[in-house]
Amino acid sequence: QQQVKQSPQSLIVQKGGISIINCAYENTAFDYFPWYQQFPGKGPALLIAIRPDVSEKKEGRFTISFNKSAKQFSLHIMDSQPGDSATYFCAASIGRAGGTSYGKLTFGQGTILTVHP
Amino acid sequence: DVKVTQSSRYLVKRTGEKVFLECVQDMDHENMFWYRQDPGLGLRLIYFSYDVKMKEKGDIPEGYSVSREKKERFSLILESASTNQTSMYLCASRAPRGPYEQYFGPGTRLTVT
Repeated sequence: QQQVKQSPQSLIVQKGGISIINCAYENTAFDYFPWYQQFPGKGPALLIAIRPDVSEKKEGRFTISFNKSAKQFSLHIMDSQPGDSATYFCAASIGRAGGTSYGKLTFGQGTILTVHP
Repeated sequence: DVKVTQSSRYLVKRTGEKVFLECVQDMDHENMFWYRQDPGLGLRLIYFSYDVKMKEKGDIPEGYSVSREKKERFSLILESASTNQTSMYLCASRAPRGPYEQYFGPGTRLTVT
């Protein structure tokens, strides 16, 4: 059962444009929503994360928008650069302290982003 | 600096062979994870370990087992490799409390022929 659905599967953007990747989740117990970035030949690395008590989080050119009622969240990359070309994964976790989830992440299917110069 | 290493970047094995994938982390993390990554399917959790000698099945444990004899090392075992286990395997670790970030190794590309 795929609990986190990510779209689109691939995305091509011109340099300077805005890249938008969307995710939807099913499990309302999720309370931690990270985005990971993966370059070819490397493992994924945390890019930015949000908790459901806020609707938006911004770090530099990267912004997460979160809609709790719709159970959706998205990554916006402003002023996209060729160096942003990578695979992006959204994920969700039950991160409550004292829980038994051990921070297991449920990942989306991934989006291959290509930013053309 | 955080570091997760995996024993091999590329591995080619024959059908029916027993395969060991090793992962070592230097962060003294209790929690370690094994994922497989396939195009269009994202990362899927195979097994995880929340302490030495403790393990739990993830979403796709069939055909795999794990071993955690020391805190820093988490091994994934394919008892009898099959062609449908050809994939990228990623190991990760995280601290049990505080930030929930998982730190990933570079991955092992396993091909079973």
